[in-house]
Amino acid sequence: GAVVSQHPSWVICKSGTSVKIECRSLDFQATTMFWYRQFPKQSLMLMATSNEGSKATYEQGVEKDKFLINHASLTLSTLTVTSAHPEDSSFYICSASPGTGGIVSNQPQHFGDGTRLSIL
Amino acid sequence: GIQVEQSPPDLILQEGANSTLRCNFSDSVNNLQWFHQNPWGQLINLFYIPSGTKQNGRLSATTVATERYSLLYISSSQTTDSGVYFCAVGPLGDYKLSFGAGTTVTVRA
Repeated sequence: GAVVSQHPSWVICKSGTSVKIECRSLDFQATTMFWYRQFPKQSLMLMATSNEGSKATYEQGVEKDKFLINHASLTLSTLTVTSAHPEDSSFYICSASPGTGGIVSNQPQHFGDGTRLSIL
Repeated sequence: GIQVEQSPPDLILQEGANSTLRCNFSDSVNNLQWFHQNPWGQLINLFYIPSGTKQNGRLSATTVATERYSLLYISSSQTTDSGVYFCAVGPLGDYKLSFGAGTTVTVRA
């Protein structure tokens, strides 16, 4: 149980295009999901917290207009990289914890398989 | 924010050897997870262990919350154990996870 599906797994696109990444919790509901970014040979850095039915919370230094987050249901969050440029090339990973009506803080986070984004 | 330090940064093992990875954290936590990231980038959840000891096959983990550290033990290592091991913690009163820098494990046949 507790499976998180992320799609697509790999994207190559031209500079200036927008790319949408989906994160779905398949067998549980999640009020809150998380988006991370990982550069080569580095650790995961939290970009933003996605809240169902409300605005996302972005970490310091993350441009909210560049990385649009929509959490339209209890099982789906999307990250859109707008007007992507080569410096946005990275590995993006989402996670979710089971829970509705607010975070259940003593639950593990379950991660998707990640999306490798390459901007030419 | 909470600081997470993992050691050693790199570990080279001969197949069959045992090893211990360490994770130190700077504040009290209500979430601690160990992950193995494979060469394809997938994060495999090894343990959810904010306190106590757990075992799963050749892997085991211990978290001493009062002393703010966790250990991951790999016994009888295999080449498939190669990859990066991450420790991630969630401080009390906060649902966010902070990741350590990771330990890169290479197991040689």
